[in-house]
This record gives sequence, structure tokens and C-alpha cells, in this order.
Amino acid sequence: NAGVTQTPKFRILKIGQSMTLQCAQDMNHNYMYWYRQDPGMGLKLIYYSVGAGITDKGEVPNGYNVSRSTTEDFPLRLELAAPSQTSVYFCASSSTGQLNTEAFFGQGTRLTVV
Amino acid sequence: DAKTTQPTSMDCAEGRAANLPCNHSTISGNEYVYWYRQIHSQGPQYIIHGLKNNETNEMASLIITEDRKSSTLILPHATLRDTAVYYCIVRVVSGAQKLVFGQGTRLTINP
Repeated sequence: NAGVTQTPKFRILKIGQSMTLQCAQDMNHNYMYWYRQDPGMGLKLIYYSVGAGITDKGEVPNGYNVSRSTTEDFPLRLELAAPSQTSVYFCASSSTGQLNTEAFFGQGTRLTVV
Repeated sequence: DAKTTQPTSMDCAEGRAANLPCNHSTISGNEYVYWYRQIHSQGPQYIIHGLKNNETNEMASLIITEDRKSSTLILPHATLRDTAVYYCIVRVVSGAQKLVFGQGTRLTINP
């Protein structure tokens, strides 16, 4: 049972480069989320999705884009990488519609922009 | 969104009960209290959640006050592996039911 899988685990980008962080879940969850965590800080929500074809902004969406073409995948796109985007990125998923359900997190992607 | 307030850090001796407080005085009637922890730089791990009643599972107990304005997570016999940052979260009542993380409590279990 893989759960939530994120790739890559580590990446170094140069300023202005672009990349896509991949996230896949095999639990048939409709809800998926992207968070970032800066050193010593809590997690901040970037984008979330309540189902295929539906996405919405979280607390810190600037500089990022997402898409949700399938239930399983929720990629996060950085178009013009900036040093401020150096962070650890976590993807999470949870099942549909119930408040009393837990979210499952991936192991994170550590991104450095230089 | 209901916000939570937690102490920045706490220490506990190995083998003793660790009691982590959380204040959520603006919680709405149908919002759940969730607890997650993050060990080192791993992804957050679900611990427990509750609405009104006290809850217990294999990891911890959750005590929610009658007015629901605060709660306490109890790790009954803390081990060194319980050293982590613990997040108290109120599940936002909205279409996305997204989790909004605060700063959390850094719990250190000492030998």
C-alpha cells in the first residue's frame, strides 16, 4: 500500500528555471493538498483540490500552479523558480466529504533554488 | 477559521505521560480537533481527532473540555521516539475541509 508518493525527494533549481513536483495517491481520495514548510516553521497550504478538474488557492499560491486531471495525481508546477521558493513541499490526500477523516501525507520534496 | 494556540516547546521525561495543551477558543460547534505530529523532517503523521467526547487510540488520548475551547493530547508513556513537533488543528468547515497548520509544540523526550 503506497499511500501518497512524492517525486523527486530532492531537487536543486537555478533561479528562473521551472519544474513540476509530482504527487500520486492510490487510496482513491478526492481531496488532495500541497503544503510548503520553511525551516523551523509550520506547514502552509499552497493549493488544494476537491476532485478531478477542481482546484483552489490556499494561503500562499503565488508562484505556483496546479492541475488535477485524474483522481490519483496532483502535480505542482513552479514556472519561474525564485530563492523564496526554497522549502520542503508536502502533498497530502484525504477521503471525500467527511469532517472526521484523517489526511495522509507524503514524505516531502526538498527544493533548493540557487 | 478557528485558530489554535500551543506552547512553543515542552520537555518530558521518558516513561512519563506527556500532556500537550491546545487552546481553540473560537472553535465552531461542528469543527473537529485534530492532532498531527512531525518527526524530524518527515511528512506529518495523524495521531487522533475528536469533536466533543474524549478519545483514545493506540497512540494517544485526547481530552476536550466541555466548552470545547481547549484540549489536551496525552501520550501515556512517552518514549524517545515521541520527540517531534505536535500540531493541534481545527478542521475548517468548508467544501475543502482543508487542514490549516499553526506553529505546533516541539516536544522533547529526555532519557
